[in-house]
Amino acid sequence: QVQLVESGGGVVQPGGSLRLSCAASRFIFNDYGMLWVRQAPGKGLEWVAYIRHDGSNKYHADSVKGRFTISRDNSKNTLYLQMNSLRAEDTAVYYCAKGRTTNSVGIDYWGQGTLVTVSS
Amino acid sequence: DIQMTQSPSSLSASVGDRVTITCRASQGINNYLAWFQQKPGKAPKSLIYEAFSLQSGVPSKFSGSRSGTEFTLTISSLQPEDFATYYCQQYDSYPLTFGGGTKVEI
Repeated sequence: QVQLVESGGGVVQPGGSLRLSCAASRFIFNDYGMLWVRQAPGKGLEWVAYIRHDGSNKYHADSVKGRFTISRDNSKNTLYLQMNSLRAEDTAVYYCAKGRTTNSVGIDYWGQGTLVTVSS
Repeated sequence: DIQMTQSPSSLSASVGDRVTITCRASQGINNYLAWFQQKPGKAPKSLIYEAFSLQSGVPSKFSGSRSGTEFTLTISSLQPEDFATYYCQQYDSYPLTFGGGTKVEI
């Protein structure tokens, strides 16, 4: 069964930075696109970013564009989200998700999530 | 951006009931529509992809259908483990967008 384990969440002050990681296992990581999706407390799901299987293309939501960067290291089977200039409204559980096929942005598996709290 | 309007936002149902949840896209999305189930404090779980296809391991009481830009998730006979929040998502174009969710309560 696919396993996705996020880490790196925590409490950070407004304007600060944080890097999330997602360790992937039990599938061929470099064959699939990967996503980040977040959920603010008590709210719905919001797509954050997507990266193609080989890292050649990246897409970010407008709400994080210029502040967040998705990346991956296929040699380490790990997905990242670098978050800079954090704001209170970025407070959320961040989920890592696996793309359904090499070129599909549809999601088939989710990690358990990591909580990011932006507060002074 | 493609807006996904999900209805109802909540519903009350009983064990054994047939439940339908609807998602309307603001423009055509082909069949690039997924449904997810989320229980409190847990990660979402994939149920349906490409509007009709059942995720591996998901029971056949869940089904998806489409009429134009309106998509429906049906649970044929609600069981206690099905009480949760359900979300639709379009993945036809960026930005990927979710519906607002439907909370299914007893």
